[in-house]
Order: sequence, then structure tokens, then C-alpha cells
Amino acid sequence: EVQLVESGGGLVQPGGSLRLSCGASGFTFSSYEMTWVRQAPGKGLEWVSFIGSGGTPIYYPDSVKGRFTISRDNAKNSLYLQMNSLRAEDTAVYYCARRVLGAFDIWGQGTMVTVSS
Amino acid sequence: EIVLTQSPGTLSLSPGERATLSCRTTQSVTNSNFGWYQHKPGQAPRLLMYGASRRATGIPDRFSGSGSGTDFTLTINELEPEDFAVYYCQHYWTFGQGTKVEIK
Repeated sequence: EVQLVESGGGLVQPGGSLRLSCGASGFTFSSYEMTWVRQAPGKGLEWVSFIGSGGTPIYYPDSVKGRFTISRDNAKNSLYLQMNSLRAEDTAVYYCARRVLGAFDIWGQGTMVTVSS
Repeated sequence: EIVLTQSPGTLSLSPGERATLSCRTTQSVTNSNFGWYQHKPGQAPRLLMYGASRRATGIPDRFSGSGSGTDFTLTINELEPEDFAVYYCQHYWTFGQGTKVEIK
């Protein structure tokens, strides 16, 4: 079964850091581009990072550039998101998603990140 | 930056009716990077359409996508109870703000 499973979410204070992980199974992870997408409470979907199948290219929106770092370990079938200098507005459910043919075809169930003192 | 604007914000319909959702972009875009998603509370988003008009694996044929340039449409024929959800359009990294299809 093709599957993505996120982990690493939780409660963190403003200015703190958190590292999210996404484990992939059921497909050749190293062949696919991957992304992180988030949904803040009561809001829509917002893309937060992209990484090519081999680790490049990497893209971020301005809202997280310089604070978030996406990476992957193809040997471990894993995707990561290092989040630093977290703000209240980063509170959201974070999804990892596989990108193919210009769309995000497989999504994980999401992991909740809450930034609050 | 291309902005995607979806309309209406909320669509109130009864099961069996047809839903027509619109997504307009601020610049002409290529169909190849255009998609539609269904999202229900507590679940992962689900890809419905890619390439603007191609159904993703396992998507029923009551879902159809059309459009080009700056105007795109998702049509759901004969709404089933499980179709009531929020729908998002997407181009590259950008999502629209969503259209909620609710039971009338």
C-alpha cells in the first residue's frame, strides 16, 4: 500500500524549534518529488516547501524562508522538515505529500504543530 | 505571483444535484500543473483531478474538470452524501481558498 506517515508534531513555545518526519512506503521514494503543505485552524491549504527527488531543487514560500528547512534521506525513505524560530501563525496541521504530474497525489494524515506559550 | 480565486465560497445543494465550482487565476496558466482536491475534516486531502481534466486513480466519473487559460471548473454530477466537503484548486504551489459544498 502506498503510504505516507508524518510524525514529530507537538506543542512548542514561540521561538522554538521542531523537526517533522514523514515516512514513505509502498513506492520508490527516491523517484518522487515531495512537499510539505499545512492547514492552519479554520484556514485553507498552504504549501510550505518542496524538494526534488534527488534533494534538489528546494523551494519555500516567503512565509517560511530562512526559518524552515526541508530535507530527505532516500536510503531511509524519509522526508523531514526542520522548523526554527516558530511563530503562533505556524500553528497548523502539517501534511507531507508526493508530487507527480504537477499535482499532489498521495498525502499523509498530518501532524499537528501548536506554537503557544 | 499567480493568485487562485475560487467561487462561490459556499455551495448549498441537495444530494442528487449538480455542483459547479469555479477557479480563476490572475494569469493564464498551463493545464499540466493544475489540480483539484477534496478535503474532509480530520482526513488527508484527496487528489481528484490533475492536468485540469484528468481524473486521479479511483475517482468516480461523476467528477469532471474542465477549463484553460484563467478559468477552470470542477463539476460534480449527482452529488452523493460523501461528496459534501471542501474543494481546493491548485496550480504549482498555490492553492485557492476553497469552496465548501454543504448539504442544503
